[in-house]
Amino acid sequence: QVHLVQSGAEVRKPGSSVKVSCKASGGTFSSSTLTWVRQAPGQGLEWMGRITPRFEIPDYADKLQGRLTITADETTNTAYMELSSLRSDDTAVYYCASGNGDSIFYDWGQGTLVAVSS
Amino acid sequence: SSELTQDPAVSVALGQTVTITCQGDSLRYSYATWYQQRPGQAPVLVIYGRDNRPSGIPDRFSASSSGNTASLTITGAQAEDEADYYCNSRESSGNHVIFGGGTKLTVL
Repeated sequence: QVHLVQSGAEVRKPGSSVKVSCKASGGTFSSSTLTWVRQAPGQGLEWMGRITPRFEIPDYADKLQGRLTITADETTNTAYMELSSLRSDDTAVYYCASGNGDSIFYDWGQGTLVAVSS
Repeated sequence: SSELTQDPAVSVALGQTVTITCQGDSLRYSYATWYQQRPGQAPVLVIYGRDNRPSGIPDRFSASSSGNTASLTITGAQAEDEADYYCNSRESSGNHVIFGGGTKLTVL
């Protein structure tokens, strides 16, 4: 089992960027796939993208291409999600999850609220 | 298409059996995975693969699949099962992941 701890809530203005961290303990960080999922207020889950630290090649949802950057630091067992050109509809709770590289997410972080408001 | 469709809300009497469904073309080629999300909490994996439960998930949760429809069944629903349930799978036309819209389960 992988324990995932995310960074704290953020407030950003439209047009700015935010970077959320996800520190893993337990399991094998480099061979696990770290996925980011977000949930707008009162809405469902949305897959954003993923990275397998060993391979260092991220994969992004089409609608977020160009604004989303997912990275991983094997020296600190930490994954990062950076979203740029923020809009009000990016307001959501952002989760990291550890899984099998496909659609199975075994362990989840506690979530990070990102609020975008002028 | 790359969509998974779930009923928005389902209710069940305490101790009875309830089935939550998930429909989509992608389910003809890959299993659905099921997550439970209680209010204010992160999702929790409840079923994966053909019908596998992670450690700690009660055996009243089970899954099945037929054609383009996957089902999550709770046999003998308990008050603590009241939550939102989401299915997901790989897209039918690629390797990205899609989620269903979620089903809110009320235990009466």
